[in-house]
Amino acid sequence: DAGVTQSPTHLIKTRGQQVTLRCSPISGHKSVSWYQQVLGQGPQFIFQYYEKEERGRGNFPDRFSARQFPNYSSELNVNALLLGDSALYLCASSLDNGLAGLGTQYFGPGTRLTVL
Amino acid sequence: AQSVTQLGSHVSVSEGALVLLRCNYSSSVPPYLFWYVQYPNQGLQLLLKYTTGATLVKGINGFEAEFKKSETSFHLTKPSAHMSDAAEYFCAAPPRAQGAQKLVFGQGTRLTINP
Repeated sequence: DAGVTQSPTHLIKTRGQQVTLRCSPISGHKSVSWYQQVLGQGPQFIFQYYEKEERGRGNFPDRFSARQFPNYSSELNVNALLLGDSALYLCASSLDNGLAGLGTQYFGPGTRLTVL
Repeated sequence: AQSVTQLGSHVSVSEGALVLLRCNYSSSVPPYLFWYVQYPNQGLQLLLKYTTGATLVKGINGFEAEFKKSETSFHLTKPSAHMSDAAEYFCAAPPRAQGAQKLVFGQGTRLTINP
């Protein structure tokens, strides 16, 4: 079975632009979480979606938004890009929403975003 | 709020030596704890997790971790390091009230293996 896939692999944008990152979860997984990993740091939680509803939001500005589609794939949007948004953006999927159990999160390879 | 602290941003060991990566957590009740590994230019891979039950948890690639409530620790060990173990390792835990899909990660420990 295919793992979590993310596109694009790399992306270069300039300050002020907008970007959309995409994630396809493992088949059958209904939960998708997004994380930002700045160079040299651990990942930071941005959003979780389960059954197309937002189930959690981290401490990120409103410039960050996301959605989940009926096929459980997800998009992360970032508006008005800042230099500090340069990071590896990771998507993770799991079978459950984390409340009923502790479904393991499976991570994709990430999208490396560079903001110039 | 749950947080995890990894002691040592860099650890270097010789091939065949013991690997010990330290993680301490803050919480008034036993949390759920995870160790993930990240190889260069890749995403995160789950090594092992502690939920309930046995405090010694065995994971993939010969790694194991022991949950010690008295020390609020969840250190990762491997008896004999291999060159392929060189990677970044992250300890993680969920905020207690919010479930496991919103993990809080430590800063990471970069493991270097010397030939």
